[in-house]
Order: sequence, then structure tokens, then C-alpha cells
Amino acid sequence: SQQGEEDPQALSIQEGENATMNCSYKTSINNLQWYRQNSGRGLVHLILIRSNEREKHSGRLRVTLDTSKKSSSLLITASRAADTASYFCATDARRQGAQKLVFGQGTRLTINP
Amino acid sequence: GAGVSQTPSNKVTEKGKYVELRCDPISGHTALYWYRQSLGQGPEFLIYFQGTGAADDSGLPNDRFFAVRPEGSVSTLKIQRTERGDSAVYLCASSLFGGLSYEQYFGPGTRLTVT
Repeated sequence: SQQGEEDPQALSIQEGENATMNCSYKTSINNLQWYRQNSGRGLVHLILIRSNEREKHSGRLRVTLDTSKKSSSLLITASRAADTASYFCATDARRQGAQKLVFGQGTRLTINP
Repeated sequence: GAGVSQTPSNKVTEKGKYVELRCDPISGHTALYWYRQSLGQGPEFLIYFQGTGAADDSGLPNDRFFAVRPEGSVSTLKIQRTERGDSAVYLCASSLFGGLSYEQYFGPGTRLTVT
């Protein structure tokens, strides 16, 4: 079953506006990552935030993590048409020493020119 | 440099047939992952290799699915007696080392359609 759940499922905004996507998860994590996917193929890693971090920036991206609420948010500032994509959060899931990423269902972001 | 490549990009097969999907990871990456993504869903973990060995195969849905990585680089995902429910995009990813603190680099995927 999916650990992370993104909200909203779909978001449509005008170019230049800010876009905020949220992710909630169920169990304790070590890291949370955000990925972007264009046209249903090829995910691209955006940012990794560790459980002891509260906020991280990368260019126009800002990620926050609230481990007490088991939630994270991804903010894209000054959006561009090229930001149109699906965005996924992924959490680690350790089980008996093995490791895997568990992805949410994603937020489909559309930037209107 | 070259990224993760997957072949074929598209595969159409009839129900009951056997298929092989290939993944070429980034050179030097020791960890390799297979995921499956259905339409409108996020990727679902299938199997993780550290070197030549499958360190975690807990995501393989049943014994029709099998994957190998005999020399610690190229990996092949094998599906026997395909079913229509196997239709999905199969994604491969590699990372420099195992462990979830390392970024995973994804290939473009193989879209499998079982008719």
C-alpha cells in the first residue's frame, strides 16, 4: 500500500503564481524525497529532506517537513509552463534491514500560460 | 554522461506470453531498483539489487515475476505467463550506493501492454 498521499490530486494555476503541494505519510521515516515526472515517464529527483530537517531550499523549490504531523509540503515559486508535471513524494520504508521507496499517488500540476 | 536506459520503450504482448525487460544503470552505480507504475498512480517498488544480489524482493507480486543482475550492472525483469493486469510502465532506477539517502536516477521506463 502507498505510504505517502499527496494533496491535492490535481492543481491548475497561472504562470507566475506559486504552487503548493502537500504530502502525508503514516509511519516514521528517515528521509522524504520529492520527484517530478513529465508525460508519465522518467522521474526526476528534486530534493531530499532528512527527518531532522524542517526546511530545505533548492532554486525555486522549498520543502518543509513536519514529523509531528507526518507531513511535508513542496512549494514552487514563480511557476513556469515547464513546471507542468506530476509531483510525487516518496518515503523510505525499512523492513528487516531492507530498503525501498514508497511513493504517493502524486499531484498533477498544470501551469497555464 | 549517459543516464539509465531501458529497452524496449514499448512492448505489446499477448496474454500468457513471456517477456523480458532490460535496464542499463548508470555506470558505477551499485544499487538498482525496479518499480511498476499503473496509470494515475505512483511507482510501486518491486525489487532492489545491491550488486548482483536481490537485497529486497518484497514488492514482486507473485512468482511469475523474476529479476536478475548477474554481473552487477545490467538487470533483466522477467514476467512469465503475462496477464492483462501486468500492463503498466516498468521503471528502473539506479543509485551510487544502496541506502535511501542516495538519489535514485530513473530510466524512461518500458510501457508493457498485455492484450
